Amino acid sequence: SAVISQKPSRDICQRGTSLTIQCQVDSQVTMMFWYRQQPGQSLTLIATANQGSEATYESGFVIDKFPISRPNLTFSTLTVSNMSPEDSSIYLCSVEAEAGGIQQFFGPGTRLTVL
Amino acid sequence: GEDVEQSLFLSVREGDSSVINCTYTDSSSTYLYWYKQEPGAGLQLLTYIFSNMDMKQDQRLTVLLNKKDKHLSLRIADTQTGDSAIYFCAESNAGGYNKLIFGAGTRLAVHP
Repeated sequence: SAVISQKPSRDICQRGTSLTIQCQVDSQVTMMFWYRQQPGQSLTLIATANQGSEATYESGFVIDKFPISRPNLTFSTLTVSNMSPEDSSIYLCSVEAEAGGIQQFFGPGTRLTVL
Repeated sequence: GEDVEQSLFLSVREGDSSVINCTYTDSSSTYLYWYKQEPGAGLQLLTYIFSNMDMKQDQRLTVLLNKKDKHLSLRIADTQTGDSAIYFCAESNAGGYNKLIFGAGTRLAVHP
């Protein structure tokens, strides 16, 4: 399985600021995803991070609020912009272990608290 | 639309078997997954099953799939305190990309 790390592991931020979360994988992967897990809830897909092109966002999520970068096949960032307390969540990146593969592995998550 | 449902809580005695249930609505689901999330940790992929299978066994874990009823279950034999966690059921339809739809998670509590 792929080894995935995320930075930061947690942060406390002020309303109106932005935070960029990094996701690093130990091998090249085709598909990388960003999920949100709100307190006590399940995971919701934010977007698919595409290498060399714009991310594909799910319904209810927009690029202005959650800009994503994917400069290469091992790294991606998610920015949470103009934060409000409602953005307090765990943000997780995930990858498919192999192209067209069926196993999806998750990073340890970034716990974000917005005051 | 796609929906995945799970019971929210299960309590079992150490050494007993645990059965966690999940129902889904998307009849075109291709793969179904079970993930484990321990407190403060990310998600760990436990096992998955292809939709044309009805059972998969992996050590203490047994997955049963009833495609007709769109019902998935995870049985953990000889449940241990280390199995205490939240278990998420997820489905995917691996068409263009592997988007996972998660259930709300079942919190498993194992007591002595």
